[in-house]
Amino acid sequence: QKEVEQNSGPLSVPEGAIASLNCTYSDRGSQSFFWYRQYSGKSPELIMSIYSNGDKEDGRFTAQLNKASQYVSLLIRDSQPSDSATYLCAVIDSGGGADGLTFGKGTHLIIQP
Amino acid sequence: GAGVSQSPSNKVTEKGKDVELRCDPISGHTALYWYRQRLGQGLEFLIYFQGNSAPDKSGLPSDRFSAERTGESVSTLTIQRTQQEDSAVYLCASSLWTGGNEQYFGPGTRLTVT
Repeated sequence: QKEVEQNSGPLSVPEGAIASLNCTYSDRGSQSFFWYRQYSGKSPELIMSIYSNGDKEDGRFTAQLNKASQYVSLLIRDSQPSDSATYLCAVIDSGGGADGLTFGKGTHLIIQP
Repeated sequence: GAGVSQSPSNKVTEKGKDVELRCDPISGHTALYWYRQRLGQGLEFLIYFQGNSAPDKSGLPSDRFSAERTGESVSTLTIQRTQQEDSAVYLCASSLWTGGNEQYFGPGTRLTVT
C-alpha cells in the first residue's frame, strides 16, 4: 500500500516569511513528485513537479527531493495571504504509470497578514 | 488553451438512481484519470485511460462504478444504484502521456446522494 504522509497543520506563517511544507512517501519505486495547491471548494492546481534529487525553483516556489530519505518538500518564499490554501503532495510510480497519483491528505497553510 | 472541463458541476440524486459524469480532457492529452474526494478527505484514484488501451480499473471501489472513454476524447464515469457514501467531488485529470507526466485537473463534479 503506497502512502504519502503530510502534517495536516494548520501551519501558520507571517506574511513575507518562508513557508516550508514537508512530505514523506513509502514507495521507493516512486519516480515523479508533485505539489498541488487546493483552495477551499476548488480543484487541485499543479504548482511544481520534480523528478530528480535536488532543488527545483520556479518563481517563489522551490521543490526539494531526497529519494534516499523518501522526502519531498516545498518552500514558498515571500509568502502572501493568497498562498493560504491546502498543499497536496502527490507521487507516482512512472515505472508503470498505471495507477494514478497517490496523494497525501494535505497541509493547511495560513499566511497571516 | 482550454483546460479540463467537467459536467455537471453539481448533481443531486436520490439513493438508488444512476448518475453519469462527463469529462473533456485538454486537447492532445492522451491520458485521462478519475479521482474522488470525499468531504475532508484526500484524493482517491479511481480509474485511468491511456489512448486506446484497456483502462486500469484498479481503483474503482465497487462494480457499481464504470467508466468509458472514446478514443482520446471525452470520458464518462457512471455510478449505478447510488449510495449515500458515493457523495463526493469527482475530479477528472488529463496529462500528455503517462509515465509520471504532469496531471491537470478539471473543476470537478460535486455529487450529493440524498
